[in-house]
Amino acid sequence: KAGVTQTPRYLIKTRGQQVTLSCSPISGHRSVSWYQQTPGQGLQFLFEYFSETQRNKGNFPGRFSGRQFSNSRSEMNVSTLELGDSALYLCASSLLSSGGAIDTQYFGPGTRLTVL
Amino acid sequence: AQKVTQAQTEISVVEKEDVTLDCVYETRDTTYYLFWYKQPPSGELVFLIRRNSFDEQNEISGRYSWNFQKSTSSFNFTITASQVVDSAVYFCALSEARTDKLIFGTGTRLQVFP
Repeated sequence: KAGVTQTPRYLIKTRGQQVTLSCSPISGHRSVSWYQQTPGQGLQFLFEYFSETQRNKGNFPGRFSGRQFSNSRSEMNVSTLELGDSALYLCASSLLSSGGAIDTQYFGPGTRLTVL
Repeated sequence: AQKVTQAQTEISVVEKEDVTLDCVYETRDTTYYLFWYKQPPSGELVFLIRRNSFDEQNEISGRYSWNFQKSTSSFNFTITASQVVDSAVYFCALSEARTDKLIFGTGTRLQVFP
């Protein structure tokens, strides 16, 4: 079974631009989460989507948004890029959360975004 | 509030040595989940082990073992007979029930020298 895939793997943008990152979960996985990893802040949760609905959101400004499609693929968008948005963006998928129990999240290779 | 602390920033060992990575967590929930992930230089987070709060049995899987102790809120991870390929950053993470949000520690960089 193929793992989580993310595109593109590397991206260079300039301040003020916007960017869209894509994530395809493991086949059959319906929950997709996004994380930002920086040297200063470490790994931080951005948001989680399940059945095309955002279920959880981290403490990030509104410039960070996401969505999930009916096939569980997800995209995240960052508008008006700032230098501090330079980071590794990781996507993770899990099978299904039900009845309070959670499933293990499996991560993709990440998209490394550089903002100049 | 939830918090994960990995006090060891970096550990260096020589191949075949055993190494233990420490993790201390804080949570108010009675049901929670603990994880260890490995991040090699390629960047991808690789899932290693998972432990549920209601299962304190410690296990061994190949060269990996873990020690979960609720009394001290610790979830330590041991690699036996370390190998150069074990060199990576290791993250401990916590998740509470009904949420897929993972709270990560700051990571421990493990360097295994030949």
